[in-house]
Amino acid sequence: ETGVTQTPRHLVMGMTNKKSLKCEQHLGHNAMYWYKQSAKKPLELMFVYSLEERVENNSVPSRFSPECPNSSHLFLHLHTLQPEDSALYLCASSQARPGQGAGEQYFGPGTRLTVT
Amino acid sequence: GENVEQHPSTLSVQEGDSAVIKCTYSDSASNYFPWYKQELGKRPQLIIDIRSNVGEKKDQRIAVTLNKTAKHFSLHITETQPEDSAVYFCAASKIQGAQKLVFGQGTRLTINP
Repeated sequence: ETGVTQTPRHLVMGMTNKKSLKCEQHLGHNAMYWYKQSAKKPLELMFVYSLEERVENNSVPSRFSPECPNSSHLFLHLHTLQPEDSALYLCASSQARPGQGAGEQYFGPGTRLTVT
Repeated sequence: GENVEQHPSTLSVQEGDSAVIKCTYSDSASNYFPWYKQELGKRPQLIIDIRSNVGEKKDQRIAVTLNKTAKHFSLHITETQPEDSAVYFCAASKIQGAQKLVFGQGTRLTINP
C-alpha cells in the first residue's frame, strides 16, 4: 500500500453503536489530520496531530474521539452519533519541515459514514 | 478565527476557454494558500499553492494570484479541458508545523465540450 489508506470505506451504524475509523499513512509524514466533508459544506478540520500530539480540536463534539498511537496511524472512535454526523470522513497527512511549515497534505480516500 | 469565502459555487465554461475562481480570507496573519482539486468520488489533491511573499505563481495552465492588501486570491485555469471538470477548493492557513487549513465552500467546475 502506498500513500494514505482508510478503512472501512463505507460504514453504516446506528445511533447507539460504537465504531472506529482507521487511517494509515505510508509516506513517513509527521502530522496527521481528520476532516469532515458534508454535502454543501466546506471541508471541516476536526483534529490535528503533530508528532503524535494533538494540537487542534476544532470544537468537535465528544462523541468523536481521536487517537494517534504513532506517526503512521490515526483513529477516530465514534459513539452515540447523530444522523447529522453522516458524512465523508477524510484523513490526511503532511510533513513539517523546519522553517517551512507543513508541506502538501495528502488525503486518504475517505470513509463514507451513514448514521441511521 | 479564519474564514474563507469562495465564489462562484458552480462554474460552467466551454472547452478551451478560461476559468477563474475567487476566494477571500479574513485573517491577515494567514500566509499560505493552497488549492485542491477533487474529482467525483476521489480524494482532494493539491494542484497549486502560494505563500504570501509571492504575488503570483504559475504551473502550466494553472496560475494563482494573491492580493494581500485586499485579502483575496484567485485560481486561473487557461485552455480548459474536459479533465479539468471537478470541485476546486481554496484554503488558507498560517505556515506552521501542522497546517490548520480553513477551506472555502468549493466550486464545481464543468467543462463543456
